[in-house]
Amino acid sequence: QKEVEQNSGPLSVPEGAIASLNCTYSDRGSQSFFWYRQYSGKSPELIMFIYSNGDKEDGRFTAQLNKASQYVSLLIRDSQPSDSATYLCAVNPVRGGYQKVTFGTGTKLQVIP
Amino acid sequence: EAGVTQFPSHSVIEKGQTVTLRCDPISGHDNLYWYRRVMGKEIKFLLHFVKESKQDESGMPNNRFLAERTGGTYSTLKVQPAELEDSGVYFCASQGPSEGYTFGSGTRLTVV
Repeated sequence: QKEVEQNSGPLSVPEGAIASLNCTYSDRGSQSFFWYRQYSGKSPELIMFIYSNGDKEDGRFTAQLNKASQYVSLLIRDSQPSDSATYLCAVNPVRGGYQKVTFGTGTKLQVIP
Repeated sequence: EAGVTQFPSHSVIEKGQTVTLRCDPISGHDNLYWYRRVMGKEIKFLLHFVKESKQDESGMPNNRFLAERTGGTYSTLKVQPAELEDSGVYFCASQGPSEGYTFGSGTRLTVV
């Protein structure tokens, strides 16, 4: 079993729709969770992080965490073609510390105009 | 604020040769990480520096890889001798007081 699992996609959504990206992790002791966006040929860019169960909203992005189910998701509202990228889920064993994170392989999102 | 700088952006070398990758983190960021992405796989941790000290090098594949961070500023990652399976994209990331990494643009290493 992979430590961080994501569906590789591609996930195709029409412009203006909600894109839902999902991630599961195996280490029940994980404390902090990150979503990075990576455009083709570019470096990953941090979008959001979340520590606590529930939802965290930032603009069109909402991160959702359910530690009991070991599940974290990213919702993108009003999807735009510019959101087309690979979204990487990353998990850290500590909160607020400086430790290595474990990445999933990423989900490729395609927003169709 | 200048970002994380890596060079070269691309390197093609023959098996058995030596390659040195360089990373300049964001000024003042004590934490510097090296990660690698092999084609089709996830980004994997190599090592973590705090200033000039190696905090965690559990991800280094073998002793052909040597990382240094002299003076706690820029870092180098040397692969000697390079093997075919070393091909991939090598990312450097730095971390300051806030959560999350700032990644460099990566070095694409191809060993032929």
